[in-house]
Amino acid sequence: NAGVMQNPRHLVRRRGQEARLRCSPMKGHSHVYWYRQLPEEGLKFMVYLQKENIIDESGMPKERFSAEFPKEGPSILRIQQVVRGDSAAYFCASSPAQSTNTGELFFGEGSRLTVL
Amino acid sequence: KQEVTQIPAALSVPEGENLVLNCSFTDSAIYNLQWFRQDPGKGLTSLLLIQSSQREQTSGRLNASLDKSSGRSTLYIAASQPGDSATYLCAVDGTDSWGKFQFGAGTQVVVTP
Repeated sequence: NAGVMQNPRHLVRRRGQEARLRCSPMKGHSHVYWYRQLPEEGLKFMVYLQKENIIDESGMPKERFSAEFPKEGPSILRIQQVVRGDSAAYFCASSPAQSTNTGELFFGEGSRLTVL
Repeated sequence: KQEVTQIPAALSVPEGENLVLNCSFTDSAIYNLQWFRQDPGKGLTSLLLIQSSQREQTSGRLNASLDKSSGRSTLYIAASQPGDSATYLCAVDGTDSWGKFQFGAGTQVVVTP
């Protein structure tokens, strides 16, 4: 049973370009969460999604950032017009449906974005 | 607003000693408390999950306790090994924010041979 899969593992972008990070949850998991770890800072919640729904995006910057979890395919975190301050490790986590779930989160290896 | 604090920030012990890592949180209305391990440049590995109705969880050499009323959890690692060197993170989610975890800054552990 594969774990949470994230790609790319490393991404380099120049200022003003777009970054797309993908996350495939564990098999059977329907909840996806994105977290960001800035250099020398702790992990911060960004957004919580279920299939075709954004449940909580309270941690997401209001501009340039968007997330989706379509009916088919992986969840995507999209950052438009990247700036140097977006350089960070972006982690995806998943969990099963709430009704059958203890709430335990399982994390991927992360995508490390570097903005030049 | 929930705040999670981990003390100490760093810890170095010789192999074989027991490790005690502390986590405190300001809002006792939590749903879960989860301990993770993070190796440099890697993702997070779940170690133990304690639900709010539980007082402790054990897995092998690891034991985690939870005192919800005082806002504290302790991760205890027995007979430490060099392979235990990593950063240990504590995280809690709230009864009204299930799955939305607030993380501590972590305790960086080095176990010397």
